[in-house]
Amino acid sequence: DGGITQSPKYLFRKEGQNVTLSCEQNLNHDAMYWYRQDPGQGLRLIYYSQIVNDFQKGDIAEGYSVSREKKESFPLTVTSAQKNPTAFYLCASRTRQGWNEQFFGPGTRLTVL
Amino acid sequence: AQKVTQAQTEISVVEKEDVTLDCVYETRDTTYYLFWYKQPPSGELVFLIRRNSFDEQNEISGRYSWNFQKSTSSFNFTITASQVVDSAVYFCALSSLSNTGNQFYFGTGTSLTVIP
Repeated sequence: DGGITQSPKYLFRKEGQNVTLSCEQNLNHDAMYWYRQDPGQGLRLIYYSQIVNDFQKGDIAEGYSVSREKKESFPLTVTSAQKNPTAFYLCASRTRQGWNEQFFGPGTRLTVL
Repeated sequence: AQKVTQAQTEISVVEKEDVTLDCVYETRDTTYYLFWYKQPPSGELVFLIRRNSFDEQNEISGRYSWNFQKSTSSFNFTITASQVVDSAVYFCALSSLSNTGNQFYFGTGTSLTVIP
């Protein structure tokens, strides 16, 4: 089945540690996105990538980093510089052509202890 | 600037009632798309509908219907005869031609609770 997988579903980390969230898609989509969701604030864009080896900052990129070495993969690293990392993180992808919708993964809930 | 406003934070209805979720958008572009997504308790966003700025026809899909009015910059979503399974957070989103990377701008969501 085609889709987007994110792992792990729940992630705990100690304050001051970096952590990497995985996002893999087998939909052959060129564009991939990372969003952060906090209660009452909707989805905020962290980073997005339209093609391999290229990515752009979204609205809240500070304290995060990404890589796009393969079309299928778009991992997100939450660094120790991110002051409030506890949140629900959603990965999405879509085709670059046209006006197609974004497809979303199941999300990763990160809790900093 | 692109903006989506969902003024209703939380709505509760009794099963079988009809409910309308409001969405108001702002954009200076003439070509844009509007979307609705459903987020059940599991967390994954599920795509419901896409509508372009040139098509103001209302859409009906089963118990769901959408009313797009450019004159009021609104794209409202109505659930008829609501069911408990409709309980979720619903997001409205906007994507326009001027976005680099075809960014989506999401509203803050409306949490719908259907009481049995």
